[in-house]
Amino acid sequence: ETGVTQTPRHLVMGMTNKKSLKCEQHLGHNAMYWYKQSAKKPLELMFVYNFKEQTENNSVPSRFSPECPNSSHLFLHLHTLQPEDSALYLCASSQEFGDFYGYTFGSGTRLTVV
Amino acid sequence: AQKVTQAQTEISVVEKEDVTLDCVYETRDTTYYLFWYKQPPSGELVFLIRRNSFDEQNEISGRYSWNFQKSTSSFNFTITASQVVDSAVYFCALSEARYMRFGAGTRLTVKP
Repeated sequence: ETGVTQTPRHLVMGMTNKKSLKCEQHLGHNAMYWYKQSAKKPLELMFVYNFKEQTENNSVPSRFSPECPNSSHLFLHLHTLQPEDSALYLCASSQEFGDFYGYTFGSGTRLTVV
Repeated sequence: AQKVTQAQTEISVVEKEDVTLDCVYETRDTTYYLFWYKQPPSGELVFLIRRNSFDEQNEISGRYSWNFQKSTSSFNFTITASQVVDSAVYFCALSEARYMRFGAGTRLTVKP
């Protein structure tokens, strides 16, 4: 158990489906992040939330829609995805945004778009 | 813009061999932190070490050691007497008080 829990662990969805990824942390952290990990590419930062407010949107297509209802929960809503969106989606948290002390990561959601 | 390069995509060694994973970074800031994370097959990234830009002292933790050299902008990671359980993807990362940027990772396979 890492302290950051992501559900589901695996997700297969069609291009016309709508689904959501969930991330939860009870570490008392105030910043949460979504990263995308594609094969043989660096982890790509997607979104950053600090105290529930979105502070970064790293040019992510609108078919990805984040939501942060409180500092402990982060969602990534997915709709009309493309096959190239298949990847491992990692959630992370840190005490504060810009925290030099590093992030705590979840185990990720392995997404396959068919 | 900051950038992290891990030139070794995959490394394969036999158990008990020593192995070094390379990391080269680019930054214009004088204050920054460098990290190494391990990603086992289960998926989560496990924190291994953090170094700040003002501390070039090398560090050893058991079979792991890190060599930070500002002159060459490198932060290399050595595993001594590798074990099968060391098989994983290892990521180097750089943080400049905003968010972390990661390298592409090095997949290490340790064969028995």
